[in-house]
Amino acid sequence: QKEVEQNSGPLSVPEGAIASLNCTYSDRVSQSFFWYRQYSGKSPELIMSIYSNGDKEDGRFTAQLNKASQYVSLLIRDSQPSDSATYLCAVDTGRRALTFGSGTRLQVQP
Amino acid sequence: DAGVIQSPRHEVTEMGQEVTLRCKPISGHDYLFWYRQTMMRGLELLIYFNNNVPIDDSGMPEDRFSAKMPNASFSTLKIQPSEPRDSAVYFCASSFIAGGTDTQYFGPGTRLTVL
Repeated sequence: QKEVEQNSGPLSVPEGAIASLNCTYSDRVSQSFFWYRQYSGKSPELIMSIYSNGDKEDGRFTAQLNKASQYVSLLIRDSQPSDSATYLCAVDTGRRALTFGSGTRLQVQP
Repeated sequence: DAGVIQSPRHEVTEMGQEVTLRCKPISGHDYLFWYRQTMMRGLELLIYFNNNVPIDDSGMPEDRFSAKMPNASFSTLKIQPSEPRDSAVYFCASSFIAGGTDTQYFGPGTRLTVL
């Protein structure tokens, strides 16, 4: 079992819809959770970080964490074509280094 | 700040040659990470440093790979000899954990092609 699992997609949503991206992780001692966005040919950039159970909102983005279920999600409201990218879930088990999922490719259709 | 700087941005070399990738972290950052990204394996951590000291190199695929951080503003990742399976995008990232945040900032990457 991979340490961080994501559906590779592509996830296709119409412009203006809510995109829901999911991630599960295997190590129960994981402490910090991150969502990175990566455009084709570019480097990953941080979208959201979350450390405690519940929801965290930042503009159109909401991260959700459920440590009991070992589940992290990212919701993107009012999706725009510019949101089309690969979204990487990353987990820190406390050793300061990140373990990344394989990423979910999101396509927002105009 | 200029962000994390990597050079070269593209490298094409022949099998058996030595390859050196370079990274300048964001000034003041205390952690430096080297990652490799391929379609098959995704983004993998190779090695990371804290205050110039290697902390975990368990991700380095084999002895052909080595990394150094001689000072706080410079790190190298060397592959000798290179093989076609080393072809990938290599990212360097840095963070300022002592400052209370663990956000990693990635450089633009080096696209390595080994023929």
